[in-house]
Amino acid sequence: LAKTTQPISMDSYEGQEVNITCSHNNIATNDYITWYQQFPSQGPRFIIQGYKTKVTNEVASLFIPADRKSSTLSLPRVSLSDTAVYYCLVGDFNTDKLIFGTGTRLQVFP
Amino acid sequence: GAVVSQHPSWVICKSGTSVKIECRSLDFQATTMFWYRQFPKQSLMLMATSNEGSKATYEQGVEKDKFLINHASLTLSTLTVTSAHPEDSSFYICSAISGVRRNQGDTQYFGPGTRLTVL
Repeated sequence: LAKTTQPISMDSYEGQEVNITCSHNNIATNDYITWYQQFPSQGPRFIIQGYKTKVTNEVASLFIPADRKSSTLSLPRVSLSDTAVYYCLVGDFNTDKLIFGTGTRLQVFP
Repeated sequence: GAVVSQHPSWVICKSGTSVKIECRSLDFQATTMFWYRQFPKQSLMLMATSNEGSKATYEQGVEKDKFLINHASLTLSTLTVTSAHPEDSSFYICSAISGVRRNQGDTQYFGPGTRLTVL
């Protein structure tokens, strides 16, 4: 089963832009890439979803290169409340299983 | 976004007892629901996929006789942990989509999770 990997942790300061990358070099052809935010003892909360190129909504942007083997979640001007764990979710080409990334723990400092 | 609820939010039980966790889609009809388990500081692991009116599909390594899943209606799925043991203690999370085309445009919406502690 191919792994979907993310950096374990990232630190940032309030007001900065944060970019979190997910590596998924065996992504299923027809699957979207979805990103979630999770706070302790809560279920994941949907942030953004895309298939290719760039997607932007009111809270984030998602950049997907042409080969779709990775994706980057961009959070503009983070605040303390953005401190959480961020996960990507993709489908595996070989198994057709949905796989959560390893998760990135973002800590935002004042 | 769509709302998914879970009940209970936490439960403590004795070893050997059974525990039922409910997952409800509140404002949409969920053709497909998923059950995940998450251990501390780890990612979510898919346990099973359930489609309304049919048997659940379990992931490799998940005992279907231990984790009974029932998706009896388009808004309700239940997970029953039978004869629970301390190693079953975990955070159980459900999710739901309105279609069956998972991750192909149908967004998964997650419940708040249920913390199970088996003594």
